[in-house]
Order: sequence, then structure tokens, then C-alpha cells
Amino acid sequence: AQSVTQLDSQVPVFEEAPVELRCNYSSSVSVYLFWYVQYPNQGLQLLLKYLSGSTLVKGINGFEAEFNKSQTSFHLRKPSVHISDTAEYFCAVSEVDSSYKLIFGSGTRLLVRP
Amino acid sequence: DVKVTQSSRYLVKRTGEKVFLECVQDMDHENMFWYRQDPGLGLRLIYFSYDVKMKEKGDIPEGYSVSREKKERFSLILESASTNQTSMYLCASRLGQPYNSPLHFGNGTRLTVT
Repeated sequence: AQSVTQLDSQVPVFEEAPVELRCNYSSSVSVYLFWYVQYPNQGLQLLLKYLSGSTLVKGINGFEAEFNKSQTSFHLRKPSVHISDTAEYFCAVSEVDSSYKLIFGSGTRLLVRP
Repeated sequence: DVKVTQSSRYLVKRTGEKVFLECVQDMDHENMFWYRQDPGLGLRLIYFSYDVKMKEKGDIPEGYSVSREKKERFSLILESASTNQTSMYLCASRLGQPYNSPLHFGNGTRLTVT
């Protein structure tokens, strides 16, 4: 069965510093990978996704993620964060053959301080 | 832009009450979902509907039922609310094809059962 692990429940960082949010998954088959962001008092919105091809994926708001098949990871990075990036970030995985099953990680709260 | 609207932002109900959570999407999406979001647990799938009148149980369906009589509307029903159903409920929709289509979320309904 597939699963997603986000080891860091909260990541505090100063404004303009780089950040990496970690995501590891387990699955016995090929997967699609997603990062969603949830701003305070809002629903989730798609940040970026990996379907196939290039392992480096660029998303909105300057975020990018790299798919590493050997390490089963899909870490999210941003070279310089802003206060407005304060939000909760969810990694999610779905198996290529599955029609709907999207498994979410437990989330990482990014707290950007001035 | 896709809009997923959840009828209530906050809801307070008493134990044993029957509760209806309503969700409407305006983009003719085939698939609709109900998730429950709890701190440290991420999002867990309650029910999924891949078309009108079609539904499948997710990971935590116990104590819940759903109804999808029209394509745009997906209702979550708590037959007899209990305190352990106090949570944030998120509705989402997406195209039925391709399978990697992103989810579009509503802003959530925070339900408190007293």
C-alpha cells in the first residue's frame, strides 16, 4: 500500500532564506506526485506536480521540487521565502493505475519570520 | 476559474443530530471527494463519487454517507453526529480524465459536535 511521510510538522525560517520541505513516499508501482498549499482559512491549491519526464518540476510562486526515484523522495524547495509563503504544505501521491486514490501526507507548516 | 463552494464555513451541532454538509462545483467535473482534515493526520478520504449517483468508500467512511443526485452537487451526511466527528471537512472536485488531473478544493467547513 502506498504511503506518504512528511517528517517535519513545522519548519520555521527567516524571510529571504532558502527552505526545503521533505516528502518521502512508498509504493510498489509508478506514481504521480503532488504538492498542495493551504493558506490560512482556505482550501488546498495545487503548487506543482510530477507526472513523468524531467525530475525537476517548477511550480507557482517560485517553488520547485525534485523527484528522486531511488530515494523515493519529492522534496519541495524555494531559494528565498517571503512572509506570504507562510502556509501548510501537503505532499500527495497517487498510483499511475489508480483512478482516484490520492494519499496525502500529514502536512508541514512553514512559518516565515521577518 | 473552478469554484468549489461549501455551504457553511462553521457549523455547530449537538451529538445525535443528523448533519448535512453541502458542496457545489461549477466546472462540470465528473469526480467529487469529501476529505476530513485533522492536525497531524493530513487529509483522509471519506467518500468519492466518480459520477452522478456513483460513489465509493474512502479510507474512513464509518459514520458517514453521501449523496450525488446532480453532477454539480455532492453532499456529506452524518446520520448521527458524534464528538469524534468534530473536524475540518474539505470538498474537492476534478475532471474524470486524465487520472492525474488536479483536485480543486473548497474552503472547508469546520464542524464542531458538542
